[in-house]
This record gives sequence, C-alpha cells and structure tokens, in this order.
Amino acid sequence: GAGVSQSPSNKVTEKGKDVELRCDPISGHTALYWYRQSLGQGLEFLIYFQGNSAPDKSGLPSDRFSAERTGGSVSTLTIQRTQQEDSAVYLCASSLGLAQNEQFFGPGTRLTVL
Amino acid sequence: SQKIEQNSEALNIQEGKTATLTCNYTNYSPAYLQWYRQDPGRGPVFLLLIRENEKEKRKERLKVTFDTTLKQSLFHITASQPADSATYLCAPPFSGGYNKLIFGAGTRLAVHP
Repeated sequence: GAGVSQSPSNKVTEKGKDVELRCDPISGHTALYWYRQSLGQGLEFLIYFQGNSAPDKSGLPSDRFSAERTGGSVSTLTIQRTQQEDSAVYLCASSLGLAQNEQFFGPGTRLTVL
Repeated sequence: SQKIEQNSEALNIQEGKTATLTCNYTNYSPAYLQWYRQDPGRGPVFLLLIRENEKEKRKERLKVTFDTTLKQSLFHITASQPADSATYLCAPPFSGGYNKLIFGAGTRLAVHP
C-alpha cells in the first residue's frame, strides 16, 4: 500500500516568506508526527497529533511555527516569516496509534531559506 | 533533562563481521526503546523495539539488548553486508512523554567488501 507522502520534496524560499509543508499519512493511522533534521544531526521532535488534536506542541521552535491536521488525515506544517536557521529537512511520520507503535516516515521536505 | 548518546564516529567494518552499535541514555529510565535505519536522503525505517522487561530481541541478523542497569542498548548486525551500510538511530520515548520519541544523532555504519 501507499506509504507516507510529503510535498513538496524540495522548497527554496526567501527569508521572510511563509511556507507550507504537507504530509499525507498512511490511511488509518491515527497518530502523526513532525520532526526536523538539520544536516548531520538527529531528528528534532516538533509536534504530534492524535486524530485532529495536538496534545503536545512543546517542540515547536517558535510561534512562527504552526501545524494543523484535518479529517484525521492530511497535516500541514506552516512556517511564517522564514529565517535561514529554519533550513533543514522536515520529516513527517505516522503510526497506528501512540505509545510503542512503530513510526512510518515520509521522504521529507528539504527546505532552504536564502 | 534526558540525554541520548550514540557513537558519533562512523563505524567501519569488514563484510561478514558483526557490527555493534551503542546507545546510552541518562537521567531517566525509558520503558522501551526503538531502533531505526536511515539511508541518505530518506526517512528513517523502523527495525526493532525492545521493552524494559526484555533483555534481548532478535530479528533475522539483528539483535538488540537493553541493560537498564547500565542504561544502555546495544544493536548488533551479524554477518554484515555492504547493504547494511547506513545510519542507525536509537529512539527511546521522552521522559514523561510516553507517546513521543527522542532520537539519538545516529551512528553511521560502513561495511566494506
């Protein structure tokens, strides 16, 4: 079956612009996670959803970052007024539920802020 | 706060040998730990999960151990192959955040023919 998909695969933007990153999870997966990975670094947790609600937004770096999930499916991560330090690969993952379930990752969106 | 440490240097081994990767955690006791594989330009792929009451878990050529006294998990690949070359990430849950994972920086493994 189809895995987790993300779009766009690459995004180049100018400092100060807003960007939207999209994640389509595996059908039926109730949990959805967003991570950020800078070059040569580990994954940094940003936010997770259980259904459409986000119980934990503690990883979002600043109030310029927001995310939503609609219909228990597609999720959008929005970064407003992008800064150069936002440049990274943004990874989305989904799982059947929370707690111990394996996470299935998408290929990521590489964001470059000039 | 909790800290996850993996060998920062790449591990180079000869094909056919056993690779052993280390994951150390401090300041808490996770109830479980997951291991993932990541290839360049791709998202991580789940390999194994081990719980705190399990000393060892095996899957084909992979073996994971979990020593709650040493606060360490070891990941072994036996009869390694060049196709095993990748970065391996350990991921226990956040302290108090059972539902989300904290990923180590990963150890890059290179298996040479």
